[in-house]
Amino acid sequence: KQEVTQIPAALSVPEGENLVLNCSFTDSAIYNLQWFRQDPGKGLTSLLLIQSSQREQTSGRLNASLDKSSGRSTLYIAASQPGDSATYLCAGLGPGGYNKLIFGAGTRLAVHP
Amino acid sequence: DARVTQTPRHKVTEMGQEVTMRCQPILGHNTVFWYRQTMMQGLELLAYFRNRAPLDDSGMPKDRFSAEMPDATLATLKIQPSEPRDSAVYFCASGLNGDEQFFGPGTRLTVL
Repeated sequence: KQEVTQIPAALSVPEGENLVLNCSFTDSAIYNLQWFRQDPGKGLTSLLLIQSSQREQTSGRLNASLDKSSGRSTLYIAASQPGDSATYLCAGLGPGGYNKLIFGAGTRLAVHP
Repeated sequence: DARVTQTPRHKVTEMGQEVTMRCQPILGHNTVFWYRQTMMQGLELLAYFRNRAPLDDSGMPKDRFSAEMPDATLATLKIQPSEPRDSAVYFCASGLNGDEQFFGPGTRLTVL
């Protein structure tokens, strides 16, 4: 059974720091990987999607990479801002075209001024 | 601005009552998902539709939960009868051919 671990569970940093959030899968056979952001009381906002043929994706200050051989993904946030404060979730899609996303528990990020 | 919409946003009901949650997927998307989020279990997939056909509802308690797509613009999740342990946030998501999934704002359900 696929399980997803996100480290750290919580992170509090001053504004301006570069951050690394980690995600690992017990089964490295990942087809797609998606990173989401969730603000308190809100839905999930898709940040980045790494498809099966890709190894990384970038959007603004965010960069996500996926190492399929180890089943690990990293979300890099450059020059963090207070507006980045949220919970970040990674989710993996298994092979075979089945669209079942398996979610990690998330990393709760607080960026203070 | 294409978004997944969900109604109601909040629902408080008493144990034993029927609850119906609705979702309008993004126009043109052919996959629809229902998830449940709780503090203890995190996000769990309840049901999955492709081209309106149910492909997986193994995550759903069959005796009380049902999910349908009457048409391509509406997905419903029904709980009958509801129980306090069903209290959670229910999310609907849609996508195209199984790629990126886009989530709605959720329905926060409280069963007293």
